[in-house]
Amino acid sequence: AQSVTQLDSQVPVFEEAPVELRCNYSSSVSVYLFWYVQYPNQGLQLLLKYLSGSTLVKGINGFEAEFNKSQTSFHLRKPSVHISDTAEYFCAVITVLDSGTYKYIFGTGTRLKVLA
Amino acid sequence: DTGVSQNPRHKITKRGQNVTFRCDPISEHNRLYWYRQTLGQGPEFLTYFQNEAQLEKSRLLSDRFSAERPKGSFSTLEIQRTEQGDSAMYLCASSLQPDMDTEAFFGQGTRLTVV
Repeated sequence: AQSVTQLDSQVPVFEEAPVELRCNYSSSVSVYLFWYVQYPNQGLQLLLKYLSGSTLVKGINGFEAEFNKSQTSFHLRKPSVHISDTAEYFCAVITVLDSGTYKYIFGTGTRLKVLA
Repeated sequence: DTGVSQNPRHKITKRGQNVTFRCDPISEHNRLYWYRQTLGQGPEFLTYFQNEAQLEKSRLLSDRFSAERPKGSFSTLEIQRTEQGDSAMYLCASSLQPDMDTEAFFGQGTRLTVV
């Protein structure tokens, strides 16, 4: 079964510093990977996704992620964070259901706290 | 289109009561998902509709839970005889076929508190 692991439950970082949020996946088939962001009391918003092609994926709000097949990782990075980036970040992988369709499997999330 | 809409945003209920949540997906989206998110956890899959057909149900969805999407548009999630363990954020998402790369759009969720 496919799964994702987010090793860091919380990441504090000072404003304008770089940040990396880690995500490792397990999958025996083709991998489709996503990062979602959740602001307090809000739903999830897609930051970026990897389906195929270039291993470096750029998303919204200056975030990017690199797909590394040998390390089974899909870490999220931003070179300079802002206070407004404070949120919960979820890594997700798609898994195929018995019906032939698919669902997202989410990690447990990493809470990014940007400090002034 | 204002995106995926969920109502109510918050619900406080006494243990043993029934509750019903509603999700209005983006109008042209034929896929609809329900997820549950507890504190400190990522969303967990509950069930999936393609148009009006409920194609998948998680083992998390006990017989106290029922979901419908009668006309392939809005969906309801009902919890009967609520328990304190049902307290969570219930998220609805929708997407458009046919490919895996189709983004799922999430609503703001319904936060259920069972007291």
